[in-house]
Amino acid sequence: DGGITQSPKYLFRKEGQNVTLSCEQNLNHDAMYWYRQDPGQGLRLIYYSQIVNDFQKGDIAEGYSVSREKKESFPLTVTSAQKNPTAFYLCASSIDTRTGGNTEAFFGQGTRLTVV
Amino acid sequence: LAKTTQPISMDSYEGQEVNITCSHNNIATNDYITWYQQFPSQGPRFIIQGYKTKVTNEVASLFIPADRKSSTLSLPRVSLSDTAVYYCLVGENNFNKFYFGSGTKLNVKP
Repeated sequence: DGGITQSPKYLFRKEGQNVTLSCEQNLNHDAMYWYRQDPGQGLRLIYYSQIVNDFQKGDIAEGYSVSREKKESFPLTVTSAQKNPTAFYLCASSIDTRTGGNTEAFFGQGTRLTVV
Repeated sequence: LAKTTQPISMDSYEGQEVNITCSHNNIATNDYITWYQQFPSQGPRFIIQGYKTKVTNEVASLFIPADRKSSTLSLPRVSLSDTAVYYCLVGENNFNKFYFGSGTKLNVKP
């Protein structure tokens, strides 16, 4: 089955610790994204990557870091610098939309991070 | 990027047709209009996309007037399982970003 997989589904972190969220896709998509969603709110873009070894900051990148060493993988690290990390994190992928035409983003099932 | 405005919430009953309107007064010539559906604790799912006039697929229709300053997502004969948040996105497909607002929370009652 083609798709996008996030793990773990639930994650607990102590204050001051870094934690890495996994995102893997087998859709052969060039572009990948990380979003944060707080209760009752929409999605906010953290980072996105258009191609391997390249990524760009979104609207709320402070306190987060990413890497894109492989086309299939786009892990997100929530660092201790992120002051309010408790949230629902969503990873997505799409074709490179710069090629034009109709496009859609495919989302994973999300990781719910709680700071304890 | 064009700003979108949607109702915060809507109520409906099973079997009714639901129309959710999105305003996007600053839509640009190259912008597409896309709608997503999100269930609690899940990632959004693409519903439909259009540029002008009317688009229909197996789950919804999208109506876009000639001035393209608004769009209406139409869900025929909703069921309880259509209870979700619906997001309207407007933007060029070549920007490699997908911007989500707060969406419209649709509550379908029996």
